Amino acid sequence: DVKVTQSSRYLVKRTGEKVFLECVQDMDHENMFWYRQDPGLGLRLIYFSYDVKMKEKGDIPEGYSVSREKKERFSLILESASTNQTSMYLCASSFQLRGNQPQHFGDGTRLSIL
Amino acid sequence: EDQVTQSPEALRLQEGESSSLNCSYTVSGLRGLFWYRQDPGKGPEFLFTLYSAGEEKEKERLKATLTKKESFLHITAPKPEDSATYLCAALPFGNEKLTFGTGTRLTIIP
Repeated sequence: DVKVTQSSRYLVKRTGEKVFLECVQDMDHENMFWYRQDPGLGLRLIYFSYDVKMKEKGDIPEGYSVSREKKERFSLILESASTNQTSMYLCASSFQLRGNQPQHFGDGTRLSIL
Repeated sequence: EDQVTQSPEALRLQEGESSSLNCSYTVSGLRGLFWYRQDPGKGPEFLFTLYSAGEEKEKERLKATLTKKESFLHITAPKPEDSATYLCAALPFGNEKLTFGTGTRLTIIP
């Protein structure tokens, strides 16, 4: 079974802090993704990576950055957290362009910025 | 711009009452249409991939179908444990970015 593990289920931080969200997958997937999920807005793509040290902006990259130093690990960084970044953050991974393989998701990190 | 719209937003059914969820999509060449189930406080769980119009996939009480503009998730004789939010997502040719709908929140009443 594919396993995507996010480091924290719940996280509370203060405005202006630098926040790191970590994600690890164990299936040797090339692609990794970070989404945020908000009521009424669905899942929105923040960043994705198709290889180590590679990254592509998604639909809402402002205020975020990412790091992929190893194939299995993808980090999302909030450079200076703001209250409008309070959300559920979901990490996903998939094989690259291989028979339409689905993305597999972690259980999310519910982040509150106070 | 790629777009996915799901309806209804919420659906309440009695146990055993069959129904369908709708997913309309507009993408520049569909590579795959995905259905996921999401329970409260959890990440989406993959259910089905559909590739071409006319295709059908089944799993227990769920059956997904695909046309050139829509996909349907049919639920037959549902049970309370089928209560969840169901998401669909479209993957276009040429990139790895899924476009998600906002989901249908399904509640099955015993």
